Amino acid sequence: QVQLVESGGGLVKPGGSLRLSCAASGFTFSDYYMSWIRQAPGKGLEWVSYISSSGSTIYYADSVKGRFTISRDNAKNSLYLQMNSLRAEDTAVYYCARAFLEWAPFDYWGQGTLVTVSS
Amino acid sequence: QSALTQPASVSGSPGQSITISCTGTSSDVGGYNYVSWYQQHPGKAPKLMIYDVSNRPSGVSNRFSGSKSGNTASLTISGLQAEDEADYYCSSYTSSSTQVFGGGTKLTVL
Repeated sequence: QVQLVESGGGLVKPGGSLRLSCAASGFTFSDYYMSWIRQAPGKGLEWVSYISSSGSTIYYADSVKGRFTISRDNAKNSLYLQMNSLRAEDTAVYYCARAFLEWAPFDYWGQGTLVTVSS
Repeated sequence: QSALTQPASVSGSPGQSITISCTGTSSDVGGYNYVSWYQQHPGKAPKLMIYDVSNRPSGVSNRFSGSKSGNTASLTISGLQAEDEADYYCSSYTSSSTQVFGGGTKLTVL
């Protein structure tokens, strides 16, 4: 069955960096676009970034552009999010999710990993 | 990338029907038939309930239906059940090749 497992969350100081990972299994990872979506405590969902199946196409939300970098390793069935210059407002549960195409729905989600930015 | 507009809360009694609206612009909801709806129970990951405006994934109850008119999409849940109590989010593909979510609607089953 499809599984997405995020890791790498934790407590980091403002201005710090963190790298999130998402391990995929149960499907052909290299066939799917992958996204990061976050949810601040008690708030709604916010799309963060996506990467195409080959990694050649990448888009970011304005709120993270220039600070976050999405990448993938299809040989390792893994998705990554490098987060730099972290701010308090980046505090959230970060989910990875798959979609078959750029405009397709997110049909499977991981359980999320919590990132807390605080001094 | 402004969030789509949803009512903060809706409520209904068991057996009744409710509708949640999701208003965007011609650059997102109105411009594409790529609107999805997600259900999220507390502490859980979101679950896809409706995609491409009105399609249900396999395994989702036919009590859930979606529609769109102009820049507003809607999710209707008929025959409300206690298990339907959750947060619901709409999302849409945008003209910027990104995705945008609504602010979420808390459904209370009375």
